[in-house]
Amino acid sequence: DVKVTQSSRYLVKRTGEKVFLECVQDMDHENMFWYRQDPGLGLRLIYFSYDVKMKEKGDIPEGYSVSREKKERFSLILESASTNQTSMYLCASSPTGQGYNEQFFGPGTRLTVL
Amino acid sequence: AQSVTQPDIHITVSEGASLELRCNYSYGATPYLFWYVQSPGQGLQLLLKYFSGDTLVQGIKGFEAEFKRSQSSFNLRKPSVHWSDAAEYFCAVGAREYGNKLVFGAGTILRVKS
Repeated sequence: DVKVTQSSRYLVKRTGEKVFLECVQDMDHENMFWYRQDPGLGLRLIYFSYDVKMKEKGDIPEGYSVSREKKERFSLILESASTNQTSMYLCASSPTGQGYNEQFFGPGTRLTVL
Repeated sequence: AQSVTQPDIHITVSEGASLELRCNYSYGATPYLFWYVQSPGQGLQLLLKYFSGDTLVQGIKGFEAEFKRSQSSFNLRKPSVHWSDAAEYFCAVGAREYGNKLVFGAGTILRVKS
C-alpha cells in the first residue's frame, strides 16, 4: 500500500516563527502536493512538485515556500507564521500521468498559530 | 479553468436510508472525476474514480457514482447508509491539460442518524 506520512499530527507555533512541515512517501511517486484545508473551502493547492528540485505554485502560495531535495520528501515552509495560517495541511503524492491518476494523502497536520 | 461544485454543505440521513451526494463540474472536454472520503481527523481516501468507459462506476464501501456528461455531473450514491459512513466527502476533477493537478469541491459533510 502507498503510504504518505506527515511529521506531526498537531503543531502549535507562535506568530513570526519559522515552521517546517515534512511529508514523506514510500511509493517512488514523481508528484507531490501540499494543500490547505479550511471549513467550507475544501482543499486548496499551495504548491506542488513534479520532480526533485522542481516546484510550481498552486492557487495560494503566498506566505509559503517548499523544498524537494529527495524524491520521497516534500517540505512546506512557513517563513514567518501568521494567525491566518492556522489550518489543516494535507500532503499528497501521485505517479506521473495525464491527470487520471489518483492522489494518495497523508493524515494531515493541524497547525495552530498563536 | 476547471471548477467543482458540491451544492450541499451538510446532509443528514437516517441509517439504512439511501444517499446521493451531488457534484457538478465545469470543464469543456472529458474530465477525470474522483470521489474521496475523509473521516474525522484523517486524510482523504479514494472511494472511486472515472476516466473512461462505463459511466457507472463502482467503488469501495458499497458506493457508486454515475458520470452524466449532459448534466456535467458525477453524483455519488449508496443504497443503504451505515453509521460508519458519517464523514466529509469531496468530489475532485482532473484533466489532461492540467497535468497531475486536481481541483476539489468544498466538500459535503454527511451525518447519519440512528
